[in-house]
Amino acid sequence: AQTVTQSQPEMSVQEAETVTLSCTYDTSESDYYLFWYKQPPSRQMILVIRQEAYKQQNATENRFSVNFQKAAKSFSLKISDSQLGDAAMYFCAYLPTNFGNEKLTFGTGTRLTIIP
Amino acid sequence: ETGVTQTPRHLVMGMTNKKSLKCEQHLGHNAMYWYKQSAKKPLELMFVYSLEERVENNSVPSRFSPECPNSSHLFLHLHTLQPEDSALYLCASSQDRVYNSPLHFGNGTRLTVT
Repeated sequence: AQTVTQSQPEMSVQEAETVTLSCTYDTSESDYYLFWYKQPPSRQMILVIRQEAYKQQNATENRFSVNFQKAAKSFSLKISDSQLGDAAMYFCAYLPTNFGNEKLTFGTGTRLTIIP
Repeated sequence: ETGVTQTPRHLVMGMTNKKSLKCEQHLGHNAMYWYKQSAKKPLELMFVYSLEERVENNSVPSRFSPECPNSSHLFLHLHTLQPEDSALYLCASSQDRVYNSPLHFGNGTRLTVT
């Protein structure tokens, strides 16, 4: 079974600084998707960024970017110019491409605090 | 405003009560999901419906009973729950079940079983 590990239960960063959240996963599949979801205090999970394993180029969405290391099975999220609105739980998730969304596997999350 | 609306936002119920959670999506999606979120645990998928047909049931106890009367509405009927069922229950929808159709979540129902 696939597993997703987020080894940092909590992280904090000064406003306007850069922070990196770690995620590792275990799979025997060669093709899959990786996701970062954000859950602010409103509790609504929001998709932040998505990476397709067959693409070597790291995904980027404005201030959010990933460092995808396929051989190491590592998928970290970098948040640049941190803002107070970035404070949330961040979940890493894995999905093999030959299955439906019901096979989406989440990590346990990292709580990110932004220090003004 | 979220495209997926869940009610109630909070629910406190005794172990002998019967209650229902409601989810409504305004996105025209064909698939809907119930997840359980407990502290320090990964999200647990409970049920998946695609075009109103249940396609996945992850060995959820029978005290949880889902209902999907149409593609826009999803219910989770609760009866004789246990204290360990206290959690945040999240509803989600996606255009299809396929792997490249992102999930859209609601704000969840915080359930406390006393």
